[in-house]
Formats: sequence, C-alpha cells, structure tokens
Amino acid sequence: AQKITQTQPGMFVQEKEAVTLDCTYDTSDQSYGLFWYKQPSSGEMIFLIYQGSYDEQNATEGRYSLNFQKARKSANLVISASQLGDSAMYFCAMRGTNTGNQFYFGTGTSLTVIP
Amino acid sequence: DVKVTQSSRYLVKRTGEKVFLECVQDMDHENMFWYRQDPGLGLRLIYFSYDVKMKEKGDIPEGYSVSREKKERFSLILESASTNQTSMYLCASSLPGTGANVLTFGAGSRLTVL
Repeated sequence: AQKITQTQPGMFVQEKEAVTLDCTYDTSDQSYGLFWYKQPSSGEMIFLIYQGSYDEQNATEGRYSLNFQKARKSANLVISASQLGDSAMYFCAMRGTNTGNQFYFGTGTSLTVIP
Repeated sequence: DVKVTQSSRYLVKRTGEKVFLECVQDMDHENMFWYRQDPGLGLRLIYFSYDVKMKEKGDIPEGYSVSREKKERFSLILESASTNQTSMYLCASSLPGTGANVLTFGAGSRLTVL
C-alpha cells in the first residue's frame, strides 16, 4: 500500500526566509513519482513540482525545490525567499507503477508567511 | 484557459436528496478522478476512471457512484445525500501512465447537506 505522511499540520515563516515542508512516503514500487501541490484559500489545487524516483538530481522550479532522499523515503519541499502569496495549504502526493494511475495524498501542511 | 470545470462551486442539499456533481475537462485526458477533501484528512479518492464507461473504486466509494459516458465528462452521484457527505469535492484529470503526468484539478465543489 502507498502512504504519504506530512507531520507538520501548520508552519510559520518570515517573509523572505526559506522554509522546508516535510513529506515521507512508503511504497514497495521501484518506480514512482512524487508531486507537490499548493492550495490557496480559493480552493484550487496548483501543481508545483515533480520528482521521479530514478531522477538523480533534485527537481527545481523557480523558488521551489524538492529535497529528495530516496533511502530515507523523504521528499521535502523547500520554498526559498518566501512571499506573502505563498500562504496556503501544501500537499505532497505520490503515484506508483503498481497502483496504476492513482495518486495518493498526504494530509497537508498549512503555511503562513508573516510580513 | 479553463481545463477542468466543475459545474457547481457551492451546493446546499437536504438529507436524502440525489446530488449530481459534474466535471468536464478539455485536455483529452483518459484518466479522471473524484476526491473528497476534509480538514486533517487530506484528499481521499472516491472513484476514478481510465476510459469511457470504465470506473474503479477508490478508498471511500461507499455512498457514491459515478458515470462516464463521454471521455471529457465524469459525474459523481450521491444517491441519497447524508450529512456526513458535507465536504469539498475535487475533480481531476491526467494523461495515462506514470512519470510526470500531473493531475490537473478543477476549482472544487463545496457541498453542504442539511
């Protein structure tokens, strides 16, 4: 079974500082993908970043980077230079080859950026 | 630039009513999903479909059914709504296969059952 764990229900960060949102996963699949989504108060889920299990380099997308540690089964999201607009819920998700097309989500982390 | 459209943003229904939540995507995606989102529980998969007229149960299918008569449309049906089905419902679609095929979500439908 696939499982995603986000242990931080809420996080605060000062504007312009960096913040790390934790995500660990459990899977028996050899090949899988890891995703991060942002959900602002408007409710729509916005895709941020993707990491494949065979990718040797950590994924980066602008101010977002994914700290992928395969042996520890962790895929933490790092947001650099936080902005007020980064205040939102953040969800980690995984899709494995043995689960076909299903995505599994964590319970989310609520990030608040303080001016 | 609208890609996944959910027909109703907010709905209020009464216990026992039949409820239809409609979802349409214009990206020609094979896969479509319905999730339920509740505080502290994250997103839980209700049903998904990887082809027209095909459907698969997710983790919490009880009390729900789905219909996919056309590739672009995936409907979630609550046959007899109950108060514990008050929630945010999210529709999503994706291309088939694994890799970097991301889920694209609609704006969500917030259902309140009185």
